Amino acid sequence: GESVGLHLPTLSVQEGDNSIINCAYSNSASDYFIWYKQESGKGPQFIIDIRSNMDKRQGQRVTVLLNKTVKHLSLQIAATQPGDSAVYFCAENPDPGTASKLTFGTGTRLQVTL
Amino acid sequence: EPEVTQTPSHQVTQMGQEVILRCVPISNHLYFYWYRQILGQKVEFLVSFYNNEISEKSEIFDDQFSVERPDGSNFTLKIRSTKLEDSAMYFCASSEGNDSEQFFGPGTRLTVL
Repeated sequence: GESVGLHLPTLSVQEGDNSIINCAYSNSASDYFIWYKQESGKGPQFIIDIRSNMDKRQGQRVTVLLNKTVKHLSLQIAATQPGDSAVYFCAENPDPGTASKLTFGTGTRLQVTL
Repeated sequence: EPEVTQTPSHQVTQMGQEVILRCVPISNHLYFYWYRQILGQKVEFLVSFYNNEISEKSEIFDDQFSVERPDGSNFTLKIRSTKLEDSAMYFCASSEGNDSEQFFGPGTRLTVL
């Protein structure tokens, strides 16, 4: 029979607006978190990371916020562009100090409309 | 900019056959990984490799799977006897350290018929 994939939540934003993509992580011991962007037919591409001793980190047009109290991670993209259209995954390293065995979230599809 | 490369981009095989997926990690990286992504699902960790041995492996990585670094540049994933449910995108990744950014390759799409 046909396998059923996970239903991806979708965020639609207009070009030029800001985007906020949210992620809940599972392991309170995780100390390293990453956001990846995946375009159709390609591998995950690193966007930005953050360690558990920080609650905010900024990159070029992107900001990651970490709330350890509620185990929540968010990615903010400023002035969203059509090229930002992709699936965005958060990932955590649940075993600090070991070779990073990243655990990925289910992903959010970002659609940028003109 | 250095990048992880993978070959082939698409592999079609018959159930029960052996396949070898190949990866060339970034040259100064020491940690290597394989992940897979079944169509429409999330990326899943398979195995990590450091200093010529497996560091960690997931439940998916059973006896049918093996990894090898046959020379100074290649990193391979072998599936001994493929099953229909092995059909997926397989991504190789590498990193400088065990807690630093992992760079992913473009993936190999494996189709088992």
